[in-house]
Amino acid sequence: TQLLEQSPQFLSIQEGENLTVYCNSSSVFSSLQWYRQEPGEGPVLLVTVVTGGEVKKLKRLTFQFGDARKDSSLHITAAQPGDTGLYLCFGTGGSYIPTFGRGTSLIVHP
Amino acid sequence: GAVVSQHPSRVICKSGTSVKIECRSLDFQATTMFWYRQFPKQSLMLMATSNEGSKATYEQGVEKDKFLINHASLTLSTLTVTSAHPEDSSFYICSASRGGGTQETQYFGPGTRLLVL
Repeated sequence: TQLLEQSPQFLSIQEGENLTVYCNSSSVFSSLQWYRQEPGEGPVLLVTVVTGGEVKKLKRLTFQFGDARKDSSLHITAAQPGDTGLYLCFGTGGSYIPTFGRGTSLIVHP
Repeated sequence: GAVVSQHPSRVICKSGTSVKIECRSLDFQATTMFWYRQFPKQSLMLMATSNEGSKATYEQGVEKDKFLINHASLTLSTLTVTSAHPEDSSFYICSASRGGGTQETQYFGPGTRLLVL
């Protein structure tokens, strides 16, 4: 059983649409990070959230950490083709090994 | 920021040969380095965790004699895929953290694409 459940696994949308990616767990995390990865490259850190209820914005991306620090979401407004990539959530904290969610493969069509 | 490099970026080898991949932290000292494996369109799977000067801790199902990890200094870890076979073909990614705790931020390298013929 994966510690972090990420959904949806695949998302194919048109330019200008909004989307939300979810990352859920039954465990509490000290912090949760979101990464974006392009084919053939390593993951690039987008944001780290550490406080329950925290909301962070990065241009058209909005990240939210759940009050209980068990879940997080990534919302993209008016998606652009340049947003295409694999989005990964990554939880750290506690006595377990930091772990990645299974990833969300996003394709934004022009 | 913290920069992690990997070398080579891609490698093609014949079945039965060994391949060494280097992971370097360029502007910080990495107490802990992690090695991940990633198949196409899938997430990263942790293979092993290595701390400088000690033996690596391998995840369940990862053969330690197959994937040799050396973390000889605070800026360098190496992964050697021994007697590589086509099923070892994958994208290998390392990460490095300054501290040894589970809450430390990991900084990822750009990955190494291995193709075994």
